[in-house]
Amino acid sequence: QKEVEQDPGPLSVPEGAIVSLNCTYSNSAFQYFMWYRQYSRKGPELLMYTYSSGNKEDGRFTAQVDKSSKYISLFIRDSQPSDSATYLCAMVPEYGNKLVFGAGTILRVKS
Amino acid sequence: EADIYQTPRYLVIGTGKKITLECSQTMGHDKMYWYQQDPGMELHLIHYSYGVNSTEKGDLSSESTVSRIRTEHFPLTLESARPSHTSQYLCASSEWVVPHRQTQYFGPGTRLLVL
Repeated sequence: QKEVEQDPGPLSVPEGAIVSLNCTYSNSAFQYFMWYRQYSRKGPELLMYTYSSGNKEDGRFTAQVDKSSKYISLFIRDSQPSDSATYLCAMVPEYGNKLVFGAGTILRVKS
Repeated sequence: EADIYQTPRYLVIGTGKKITLECSQTMGHDKMYWYQQDPGMELHLIHYSYGVNSTEKGDLSSESTVSRIRTEHFPLTLESARPSHTSQYLCASSEWVVPHRQTQYFGPGTRLLVL
């Protein structure tokens, strides 16, 4: 079983929709949680970074961490065609030095 | 914005050739990483470095080697390329300052095709 599970999609939504992307994990030691966005033929770009449980908002993006359920989410409000990309979750323990990545969810926002 | 560079961006090469993938960062980060990424799959860590003259193998076994003789430079070498090495290779770096020490910044990647 993988340490981090992520639905590969693709997830297709109309422009303006609210998008919910999710990851589940099995290692309760994970403390740092990240979301990366990767456009086709590019490297991953850090979107959101959260420590432990709670919510964090940045513009149209909100990251949520529920450690009790071992579940993290990324919400995108007012989605745009430019949001079309693969979204990767990643996480690491408090004093760990290796990120564990999900396989990524492909998002397509149609205009 | 992260300043991390990889060259070449694309490489098509024949079996048995020696290749070096270059990675440089201008942020002064101590830690650097090499990942392998195949379509629809997780990023797999193949090498990392804590600083100059420090290199470690990652979780995914790889026939490649790395060196770190300068903070900003972390090249990856394949002595004899094989078709099984065909993949995308991503370089990343991170800083040690808490709480940002776990944040990794990625380069654009090198797509390698071995014929």
